[in-house]
Formats: sequence, structure tokens, C-alpha cells
Amino acid sequence: GAVVSQHPSRVICKSGTSVKIECRSLDFQATTMFWYRQFPKQSLMLMATSNEGSKATYEQGVEKDKFLINHASLTLSTLTVTSAHPEDSSFYICSARDPGQNTEAFFGQGTRLTVV
Amino acid sequence: GQSLEQPSEVTAVEGAIVQINCTYQTSGFYGLSWYQQHDGGAPTFLSYNALDGLEETGRFSSFLSRSDSYGYLLLQELQMKDSASYFCAVRDPLTGGGNKLTFGTGTQLKVEL
Repeated sequence: GAVVSQHPSRVICKSGTSVKIECRSLDFQATTMFWYRQFPKQSLMLMATSNEGSKATYEQGVEKDKFLINHASLTLSTLTVTSAHPEDSSFYICSARDPGQNTEAFFGQGTRLTVV
Repeated sequence: GQSLEQPSEVTAVEGAIVQINCTYQTSGFYGLSWYQQHDGGAPTFLSYNALDGLEETGRFSSFLSRSDSYGYLLLQELQMKDSASYFCAVRDPLTGGGNKLTFGTGTQLKVEL
């Protein structure tokens, strides 16, 4: 089946620094990818829709200047958490759907971000 | 907007059958999906219903009633490895190219001996 690869799986950073998370579709092209955030024992909350070649669409309440999304190619989207603070510590997951498979969304492995 | 409600926790014994319900209120509907997520892992796809009725995939079955805005996931012959969180999800046909998923509140299933 289609595979989505996310890197890094874990990252610890200091407050005030920036962290970049990569999401790649390995065997299909994705014009759209999605970024989710998940706090412990909670559901996945959509942060933004990453659109290849154009600006990302952010969900209400998500700061676009803090969570920078770039989708420069059909197989790569990146999420940069800028000026990270401890409250940004969370599990970040990307997903994409293979256009050839109409029902299933594939998820990256997730990135556990800890800001100290 | 989209809203999907699930029970927060369910406990069952190994070998039993368990049903996880999902009620939804959505502005658009493109089908109901179910995902499994183990602690620290990514969600994995289990089942999808676009039309009313029951879909069976091995030990897992999923049911949908669009008129009732209701669905459920049925897990049979429970195994310890089924202990995980389960999420229903709805695709929004109006945004993200019809690929945007909204997830339910999630149900943590604990399987005991």
C-alpha cells in the first residue's frame, strides 16, 4: 500500500527555537497533505491543509505565522514550528491520500515534539 | 462544522465482541471511516462506509446509517493486541479536494484476560 514517511520521529528542542518536520509520500503524488496535532489521550485535530504550489489553508485558531507550512513538491510537505514553547509539545502527524485509492488516508509515523 | 461523538472508554475480555458507536453532525458527508491507533503510533485505516449497511473485514465490521447519522465498529474475537484507541472520521466533500478528515473524540479500548 501507499506509504507516507515522516521525519523526525522524536525531537527535543529549547524554547524559542524552531523545528522542521518533513512529510513525504513515497510512492504516490499528493497535491494535498494534512497536518494534525494530537495531545495525550485526545483526538487528532486538523491544523492545516498543505496545498502543493500554493498557500496552506489553516484551521480556525491555528497561527499561520507560528506553524509554517511549505508544500514545494508533489511528494514533500514540511511543517516548521517557529519560536517553540513548552505548550507546543505534542504529537504532530501528517497524512495524505493516494488519488488511486479513494477510501483510505495514509499517515506518517508522527513526530513527538518536546519543548524544554 | 463537523462533530463526531464516541464513548471515551470501553473494556472487554479477550474473545468477546465489542461495539464502538459514533454519532456525527456534519455539514458535508462523504462516508464514515474507522481508524485504529496504538499508543505512540500513527492511525491505521480499518474500514470505510459510504452507503448504509454493514461492511465486514475479517474480525472487524463497520455499520452506517446515514438517516440516523450513526455508525459503529464491531470487533469480534477480541485479542489483547486490539487494545488501542479507535476513531471514527468523516471526509468533508467541500474542502481539501474532498480528502479532509475530521476525527471523532476517540474510544480507548482495553482488552483484559
